[in-house]
Amino acid sequence: GENVEQHPSTLSVQEGDSAVIKCTYSDSASNYFPWYKQELGKRPQLIIDIRSNVGEKKDQRIAVTLNKTAKHFSLHITETQPEDSAVYFCAVPSGDLTQGGSEKLVFGKGMKLTVNP
Amino acid sequence: DGGITQSPKYLFRKEGQNVTLSCEQNLNHDAMYWYRQDPGQGLRLIYYSQIVNDFQKGDIAEGYSVSREKKESFPLTVTSAQKNPTAFYLCASSIDSVPGLGVEQFFGPGTRLTVL
Repeated sequence: GENVEQHPSTLSVQEGDSAVIKCTYSDSASNYFPWYKQELGKRPQLIIDIRSNVGEKKDQRIAVTLNKTAKHFSLHITETQPEDSAVYFCAVPSGDLTQGGSEKLVFGKGMKLTVNP
Repeated sequence: DGGITQSPKYLFRKEGQNVTLSCEQNLNHDAMYWYRQDPGQGLRLIYYSQIVNDFQKGDIAEGYSVSREKKESFPLTVTSAQKNPTAFYLCASSIDSVPGLGVEQFFGPGTRLTVL
């Protein structure tokens, strides 16, 4: 099955610095790559996603880049703020693409980002 | 945030007892999912359902059971066969999708189960 790995597992930065989280996957058939953010004590929420027909997508201070050949995608956060402190999860769809219906997601183990004021 | 609820927020049970966690959604989503979250382990899929009266095992289904009698409800039972049930349980839902496209999953607030 799909194997998803995130690096690093923790990251501490100063406010205003940039942060990058890398996610690697094993199944070359994957075409959808989301990132979820989970603040302490709260539910995970989708913050950005990218599909395989584009190499980069931006939304204000966050961006995601995709390298399908190398099977990895990365989350970039610029001008970090204390409210960016959270656990970030990447995910990759896994399942038989010949079957109908929604696919299950395989999540990475998460990266805890701490932004120090 | 709204639209998918889980209850209770905290649950305590004695070892050997079965316990059922509630998950309800009013988003009219076809697909629903149960995840288990442990520190440093990310989100691991227990069961998922793409349509009423049908569900599939995820990666860690042993010791758990589910039902999907109604579109809006997907309860999870943690049985006494689950060897380490203490964890944070998250329910999620999504619209149905064409395989390969991918869709957003919306999560509930979670239930923290502690088995004493």
